[in-house]
Amino acid sequence: TQLLEQSPQFLSIQEGENLTVYCNSSSVFSSLQWYRQEPGEGPVLLVTVVTGGEVKKLKRLTFQFGDARKDSSLHITAAQPGDTGLYLCAGAGAGGTSYGKLTFGQGTILTVHP
Amino acid sequence: SQTIHQWPATLVQPVGSPLSLECTVEGTSNPNLYWYRQAAGRGLQLLFYSVGIGQISSEVPQNLSASRPQDRQFILSSKKLLLSDSGFYLCAWQGFGEAFFGQGTRLTVV
Repeated sequence: TQLLEQSPQFLSIQEGENLTVYCNSSSVFSSLQWYRQEPGEGPVLLVTVVTGGEVKKLKRLTFQFGDARKDSSLHITAAQPGDTGLYLCAGAGAGGTSYGKLTFGQGTILTVHP
Repeated sequence: SQTIHQWPATLVQPVGSPLSLECTVEGTSNPNLYWYRQAAGRGLQLLFYSVGIGQISSEVPQNLSASRPQDRQFILSSKKLLLSDSGFYLCAWQGFGEAFFGQGTRLTVV
């Protein structure tokens, strides 16, 4: 069974601060996605990283995939209240019975105070 | 582009009553479809997935069942709801490792 450990579980910061969320696993993933979810809605895909060491930027968000494709991080620069939400990482299985299945982290609840 | 419709958005059902949640997908054929359950503000637990009509795989034993009567329709059911079935249920279409979710159904069993 593949597991993704996501940390921290909760993050409460002031507007303008920087933050990083981590996802770690002992398993190798073929790709890793980050989602953002608002209350009462389904998660929305932010980015997919596929190659070990890959870095993707989406405005103030920077996503990195570990060299061994076992971990990932999401860094937000100068957080804004609109960034508030639940952030989820998910890894796609790399082979065997896990191939293609998504394993989700437990999520990080981010609150950005004005 | 693909669109996922899921309904109802909220549902309050008494213990012991039946359940039927429906999900339909537009804009793709032969999609891989998934039902997830999410505890409040936390990660997603995979309940069922289907790679085609009539093909259902269950990830965890539970009081729920799933069916796929048509290519782009996925249904989550229960004959008798338990209190522990309360939660936020999400239908998803998944391709190339990425998931696209419906709006979710908030189920409260009372």
